[in-house]
Amino acid sequence: EVQLLESGGGLVQPGGSLRLSCAASGFTFSSFAMSWVRQAPGKGLEWVSAMSGSGSSTHYADSVKGRFTISRDNSKNTLYLQMNSLRADDTAVYYCAKGGITSPGMDVWGQGTTVTVSS
Amino acid sequence: QSALTQPPSASGSPGQSVTISCTGTSSDVGGYNYVSWYQQHPGKAPKLMIYEVSKRPSGVPDRFSGSKSGNTASLTVSGLQAEDEADYYCSSYAGSNNLGVFGTGTKVTVL
Repeated sequence: EVQLLESGGGLVQPGGSLRLSCAASGFTFSSFAMSWVRQAPGKGLEWVSAMSGSGSSTHYADSVKGRFTISRDNSKNTLYLQMNSLRADDTAVYYCAKGGITSPGMDVWGQGTTVTVSS
Repeated sequence: QSALTQPPSASGSPGQSVTISCTGTSSDVGGYNYVSWYQQHPGKAPKLMIYEVSKRPSGVPDRFSGSKSGNTASLTVSGLQAEDEADYYCSSYAGSNNLGVFGTGTKVTVL
């Protein structure tokens, strides 16, 4: 069964850091681009970052550029999102999804992990 | 990248059809045939319903169809069923140097 399982969310103070992980199973992880998409409470979807299957190409939303870093370990079938200098408006459910900017849609999604930035 | 524009809400009775629009620019929706549609039920992860404007992933009912004209893409749900009540988001490729962009979302209500 194709599956994505996020972890690492939690409560963090403004200015703090957090690293999200997404464990993939059921498909050849290294062959697919992967993305992080977030959804603030009561709001719509926002594409945060994407990375190619090899890890050689990355893209970021302007809202997180310079603060967030996407990475992957294809030997561990795991995608990461390092989030630094967190702000209140980064509060959201963060989803990991299979697919990137040139993929025919993001066809597999994790259940999401909640990040709350508050003092 | 600015979010694609969708109507906030749409509704229809069971068995009827509802169409949701998704308006972008020539830099996204109008420039490429890479529009996707996602369905999201409350508290759940999004689900891919349509990709590349009009293609359906395996398992998605053929009641769901997509199309595009110029800078506007559309999702039509025919034969509305109670389980179709959800939020729907479009998404588009926006060029090789950019992340894709999502629409503002449309809440579909089955009356």
